[in-house]
Amino acid sequence: GAGVSQSPRYKVAKRGQDVALRCDPISGHVSLFWYQQALGQGPEFLTYFQNEAQLDKSGLPSDRFFAERPEGSVSTLKIQRTQKEDSAVYLCASSLGYKRGGPRTDTQYFGPGTRLTVL
Amino acid sequence: QQQVKQSPQSLIVQKGGISIINCAYENTAFDYFPWYQQFPGKGPALLIAIRPDVSEKKEGRFTISFNKSAKQFSLHIMDSQPGDSATYFCAARRGPSGSRLTFGEGTQLTVNP
Repeated sequence: GAGVSQSPRYKVAKRGQDVALRCDPISGHVSLFWYQQALGQGPEFLTYFQNEAQLDKSGLPSDRFFAERPEGSVSTLKIQRTQKEDSAVYLCASSLGYKRGGPRTDTQYFGPGTRLTVL
Repeated sequence: QQQVKQSPQSLIVQKGGISIINCAYENTAFDYFPWYQQFPGKGPALLIAIRPDVSEKKEGRFTISFNKSAKQFSLHIMDSQPGDSATYFCAARRGPSGSRLTFGEGTQLTVNP
């Protein structure tokens, strides 16, 4: 089955290192989301892409966080100068996207996440 | 600001019992309310969802009850099974695709055999 895939599944970084997390959405999905899930908490929104355009980045916690989706498919979330508080699971989700006149319930499908631990 | 509050934090039920998880929201602009199920090491998976124009939706053993005036909604799992043991998240969204999901804090459900 071609679900959302993420890599790496686990990443350990030393404080101050840069990391890059990859998301492969479901083929044909226009919308792509990144969420951050702290231990024992619900996911929190980071950013949203519609195709290659980043339409909402209001959830990014600092300017150390950067996301891109240059060709409208694969997306990368980059965290520069990682800090201990960045330790979390980073989830990617994709959805078909809104079509005028289409159904308004647009399901977001989540990947398994990347667990980032910053030492 | 906690826009979606979920309770209880953890829940233990016996096999065959009914599991009930509650959520309350603040933003009246929310118009889509999904429930997600998450197993350890996996991403959340959509279980069932409801829009505020209906008061109840049932899919198999899972039912959402929605009270628009009270700004509350709940998930009922009938005939709970050990395989239902997971973390459940309620969520809310305003607007169509492209809108973020706002999640509750989660409920860890354990169903004992």
